Amino acid sequence: DTAVSQTPKYLVTQMGNDKSIKCEQNLGHDTMYWYKQDSKKFLKIMFSYNNKELIINETVPNRFSPKSPDKAHLNLHINSLELGDSAVYFCASSRGGQGVTGELFFGEGSRLTVL
Amino acid sequence: AQSVTQLGSHVSVSEGALVLLRCNYSSSVPPYLFWYVQYPNQGLQLLLKYTTGATLVKGINGFEAEFKKSETSFHLTKPSAHMSDAAEYFCAVSGPNSGYALNFGKGTSLLVTP
Repeated sequence: DTAVSQTPKYLVTQMGNDKSIKCEQNLGHDTMYWYKQDSKKFLKIMFSYNNKELIINETVPNRFSPKSPDKAHLNLHINSLELGDSAVYFCASSRGGQGVTGELFFGEGSRLTVL
Repeated sequence: AQSVTQLGSHVSVSEGALVLLRCNYSSSVPPYLFWYVQYPNQGLQLLLKYTTGATLVKGINGFEAEFKKSETSFHLTKPSAHMSDAAEYFCAVSGPNSGYALNFGKGTSLLVTP
């Protein structure tokens, strides 16, 4: 069983389109994250949700909108895609509250290519 | 704000040689420190972490790291490199001030030559 799963794994689309990436974790964790990895492999936090509540919202264009229907899911919707959005997007989860260990568990990534 | 700096974006070692990947951190509160490894076209896997307690931490695949507060360092070592160790290595820091989100260094690409 995959602990943190993302779909799709690959996404190729045209500029201006709207796309979504889905993430689900079966670890029972309270906190979920989205990270962006650019072409130079740099990983940057985008969003963090704890029990469906947004707790971290870094400087990200408002074309990016996370949605957490329940604490096991955190989806990422991107409007009006631009060339610079091409990257690998990683979903992650961690235990929160008193069980926090700091360790994040990552999905395998979703490679987005905008043409 | 918490941050880490990884010295050397590329490190090359011979198979069987010592691996040393450097990481220095900046944090105003006691940090949680991590090393993750990323193999090509895969996600990130935790190698080891330091939160509290023993400053020398051992991880998977024979890696270990030592938290040195006086030097604000958390360098990763392995006594003998294997070909399978070739990957991208990321140092990361977190803590309560960041909501426990990891702030990553820019990564070090480890090349192992025969």
